[in-house]
Amino acid sequence: GNSVTQMEGPVTLSEEAFLTINCTYTATGYPSLFWYVQYPGEGLQLLLKATKADDKGSNKGFEATYRKETTSFHLEKGSVQVSDSAVYFCALNTHVNAGGTSYGKLTFGQGTILTVHP
Amino acid sequence: NAGVTQTPKFRILKIGQSMTLQCTQDMNHNYMYWYRQDPGMGLKLIYYSVGAGITDKGEVPNGYNVSRSTTEDFPLRLELAAPSQTSVYFCASTGHPNTGELFFGEGSRLTVL
Repeated sequence: GNSVTQMEGPVTLSEEAFLTINCTYTATGYPSLFWYVQYPGEGLQLLLKATKADDKGSNKGFEATYRKETTSFHLEKGSVQVSDSAVYFCALNTHVNAGGTSYGKLTFGQGTILTVHP
Repeated sequence: NAGVTQTPKFRILKIGQSMTLQCTQDMNHNYMYWYRQDPGMGLKLIYYSVGAGITDKGEVPNGYNVSRSTTEDFPLRLELAAPSQTSVYFCASTGHPNTGELFFGEGSRLTVL
């Protein structure tokens, strides 16, 4: 089945440090890949996505490149801020047909807690 | 901008009690989902719905029930609460399931003692 593995946290950084959160996946077919972010007390929200191999998703200074050869989608940011403190989830999306209905199924990694100190 | 609204935000239940988590969205999305989030485990899909009157099981449906009488509402029912159902529950919706972009509510933290 499909699965997503993220680097274990928590990750603690000083402001302006470089961030990498590793994400690898196992999937049949050609999934789309996502990073979701969950700020304290809030629900998840989409941070960025990539729909095919070699695509780069970017948003708010974060980037991730869809690497099919290494089945990876690592999240990076050159200079983190205190406001980036959150939980980050890597996810993949596949289309499922089940029992006469179909839906896009998101499979999430376990989440990585990021804390940025001033 | 309301988006996806969940209630209650917090609830403590005793073993064997029942309750309903409410979820409503104002974006006219056909697809709605219930997830549970356990520490270090990511999100697991409980139930989903592709439109009013159509629901189906996700990965971890045992102990839960859902209904979808309107496009806007997708309540999640716990009939006989168990400690294993202590978790944070998220409702989500989308108008385009193949895009993978879901809109999440703020979550409901449930503790079963």
